[in-house]
Amino acid sequence: NAGVMQNPRHLVRRRGQEARLRCSPMKGHSHVYWYRQLPEEGLKFMVYLQKENIIDESGMPKERFSAEFPKEGPSILRIQQVVRGDSAAYFCASSPQETSSGDGEQFFGPGTRLTVL
Amino acid sequence: QKEVEQNSGPLSVPEGAIASLNCTYSDRGSQSFFWYRQYSGKSPELIMSIYSNGDKEDGRFTAQLNKASQYVSLLIRDSQPSDSATYLCAGEGGYQKVTFGTGTKLQVIP
Repeated sequence: NAGVMQNPRHLVRRRGQEARLRCSPMKGHSHVYWYRQLPEEGLKFMVYLQKENIIDESGMPKERFSAEFPKEGPSILRIQQVVRGDSAAYFCASSPQETSSGDGEQFFGPGTRLTVL
Repeated sequence: QKEVEQNSGPLSVPEGAIASLNCTYSDRGSQSFFWYRQYSGKSPELIMSIYSNGDKEDGRFTAQLNKASQYVSLLIRDSQPSDSATYLCAGEGGYQKVTFGTGTKLQVIP
């Protein structure tokens, strides 16, 4: 059973370009979460999605950032007109719709390291 | 603002000792709690979940939950250098939204 997959693992963009980060959840998981982590800092929640729905985007910056989780295909985190402050590790996590072991267990992908030049 | 608080450390313990990691949370509605381990440059890895008051043991790890005091802890027995990592405490407060603490850095000294 493949784990959470993210690509690309490393992404370099120049200021003003667009960054697209992809996340494929674990098989059978229908909940996807995106987090941002700056060096030596904690995980900051960005957005929580289920298939075709944004459930909670309270951690997303109001401008330039968007996320989607279409019926088919991976979840996409899109950052338009990137700035140097967007440089960070972006982690995706997934959880199953129902789990016998409790609510909220999330399984993380390897992350995408975004560097903005 | 629902918060999960952790001491950032670093917490240094000698090899073979017990490492004690602590966490407090502000949301009394939180029902589920998790400990993640994150090695430098890697993604978080779930190591323990706890849902009921009391202790839960898994190998060298014991998670403790006290809902009255809003306190969660993780004990690592017989600490090994390979346990050196940042440990993230997290609480689930409904609708499967999980709030993470900033993590405690553990250093196990050989």
